[in-house]
Amino acid sequence: GAGVSQSPRYKVAKRGQDVALRCDPISGHVSLFWYQQALGQGPEFLTYFQNEAQLDKSGLPSDRFFAERPEGSVSTLKIQRTQQEDSAVYLCASSLGNVYTEAFFGQGTRLTVV
Amino acid sequence: QQQVKQSPQSLIVQKGGIPIINCAYENTAFDYFPWYQQFPGKGPALLIAIRPDVSEKKEGRFTISFNKSAKQFSLHIMDSQPGDSATYFCAASTGTTDSWGKLQFGAGTQVVVTP
Repeated sequence: GAGVSQSPRYKVAKRGQDVALRCDPISGHVSLFWYQQALGQGPEFLTYFQNEAQLDKSGLPSDRFFAERPEGSVSTLKIQRTQQEDSAVYLCASSLGNVYTEAFFGQGTRLTVV
Repeated sequence: QQQVKQSPQSLIVQKGGIPIINCAYENTAFDYFPWYQQFPGKGPALLIAIRPDVSEKKEGRFTISFNKSAKQFSLHIMDSQPGDSATYFCAASTGTTDSWGKLQFGAGTQVVVTP
């Protein structure tokens, strides 16, 4: 595709429900990142993949958050037992993988936990 | 704690004015400093980026100034237009293979350019 595609665009979950957010990176992009953006704030790093390897997951807020990229392409961010504080926009970005190359962001998934 | 501090939170300028956004950092290991532009409902888009080996970089109407000793960098938008109205984020990261993509973002500056 032309850019990073994220689905769904909007998700409303009841507190305690599990959710799965999908990211389709730009074809051929080796690196993939997930960020969380609270309303009126800058994005906060969650996790980083190089191909299928998860190189850094230091930003995941709790063990309820889990990300995977099993075949080195599509990635899924899963949040178990959602809480109200999980409400945010979840952004995915991808890049060619070389240091300092541009990271292209998707439009994000807006998660609202009620 | 926020590793990149950004100011101001918001600013309003008239068309043709020069909005200036400032960022400061503490981690001397940072060596990649991008600026992103974000419109409502969209993801951030890279505007311009700088490495510490240069003090200034220009791309079109956007200029980054970098002061390594002060650990500060700023974005200037020359001849600003109403279409530049957006939220701007500075960011920083280290240039190692396993960490360069871990961008530390500032809190953002909402810029409004009036006609």
